[in-house]
Amino acid sequence: QVQLQQSGPGLVKPSQTLSLTCAISGDSVSSNSAAWNWIRQSPSRGLEWLGRTYYRSKWYNQYAESVKSRITINPDTSKNQFSLQLNSVTPQDTAMYYCARDRTGWPLDYWGQGTLVAVSS
Amino acid sequence: AIQMTQSPSSLSASVGDRVTITCRASQGITKDLAWYQQKPGTAPELLIYDASTLQSGVPSRFSGSGFGTDFTLTISSLQPEDFATYYCLQDYNNPFTFGQGTKVEIK
Repeated sequence: QVQLQQSGPGLVKPSQTLSLTCAISGDSVSSNSAAWNWIRQSPSRGLEWLGRTYYRSKWYNQYAESVKSRITINPDTSKNQFSLQLNSVTPQDTAMYYCARDRTGWPLDYWGQGTLVAVSS
Repeated sequence: AIQMTQSPSSLSASVGDRVTITCRASQGITKDLAWYQQKPGTAPELLIYDASTLQSGVPSRFSGSGFGTDFTLTISSLQPEDFATYYCLQDYNNPFTFGQGTKVEIK
């Protein structure tokens, strides 16, 4: 059974960096058939896919255009986890953030529990 | 990016009712459409993928259909635990995009 456990602060100051981690159990961040995603949800934007990282003989990243200049998703193979960094945050980045897995031929199937992040001074 | 238009945005129904939710893609996505159920305070849960394949453990009262641009989620007989918000997701290409959601409320 795959489980994704999120961690990270729930409050970030404007202009600073939002950092979250998603620890994986029951699968591997280096899997050749899985990809590891970050999604956020807010009343104004709904569910918004932010990006993903995956391994297919080498590491790849894909990011949403809306955050491409500010986002980094990194795998950590030593801890079997992956992280989200979103730079230069504004109050518009306030949202519930989720990590999730997708696999070749399947959509997002396992999700983390969510982390509510508020951007406020 | 492919836009997903979901309707209605909300509906009121009674236990036992048949409920239909639709999702339209702005371009063809073959069968790469999934449906999720979300209850307050929890992450979305996968119900259906590939437009019509039921995820393991999901009750058979849920069904999906469609191909190309038009898709439907049907709940054949609404149960008390089905009152929730439902979302469609296209995973045909990047960026993955979601519908705006349909909130199913008790009549």
